[in-house]
Amino acid sequence: EIVLTQSPGTLSLSPGERATLSCRASQSVSRSYLAWFQQKPGQAPRLLIYGASSRATGIPDRFSGSGSGTDFTLTISRLEPEDFAVYYCQQYDSSRWTFGQGTKVEIK
Amino acid sequence: EVQLLESGGGLVQPGGSLRLSCAASGFTFSSYAMSWVRQAPGKGLEWVSATSASGVTTYYADSVKGRFTISRDNSKNTLYLQMNSLRAEDTAAYYCAKGRTDIPTLWFDWGQGTLVTVSS
Repeated sequence: EIVLTQSPGTLSLSPGERATLSCRASQSVSRSYLAWFQQKPGQAPRLLIYGASSRATGIPDRFSGSGSGTDFTLTISRLEPEDFAVYYCQQYDSSRWTFGQGTKVEIK
Repeated sequence: EVQLLESGGGLVQPGGSLRLSCAASGFTFSSYAMSWVRQAPGKGLEWVSATSASGVTTYYADSVKGRFTISRDNSKNTLYLQMNSLRAEDTAAYYCAKGRTDIPTLWFDWGQGTLVTVSS
């Protein structure tokens, strides 16, 4: 099973700042099957990025994804108040899906 | 607009059973893979089970294999999760999610979840 490790655990930033979130896999992951989700308290996860770098429908272009192999990054270019949330990376491999433990982006 | 509405959660004793349902609308249900993902209180996301569009192919996490059964009724646009031999560690919000294609790979749309509490 591929283990995803996200860092940092918590990111304290101010609105307008840039956020860089990391997701590292225990073995190589297909770019096609790496996704990022946003989750706010009491809400379901929302797909932001799929295929490592493709934005889902309706996702603002301040969100971008990059990476390959075992290292992937989610970047939020300028944080808006509504972006403070928990972010999860997810991968699919060999009929198994695993999530990272999450990165909380909080207001500094 | 894709809508996924889970139901069937509640309080159940350890060793008990529960069946979750996910009513789908806004898309051709029979054309898409579906999945269940859970989240224990205050914890992260854990994939539970998935099924192909036809329902012929199913997948399970090791933590639920042999206890949970995923199924779907494409004539009723509904996904199910039969949960048997429930344990305290199964306590979680259970989300159903819609795939991108007929084969389970990525999960694009999610319901709001239904809470399952396993406790005596």
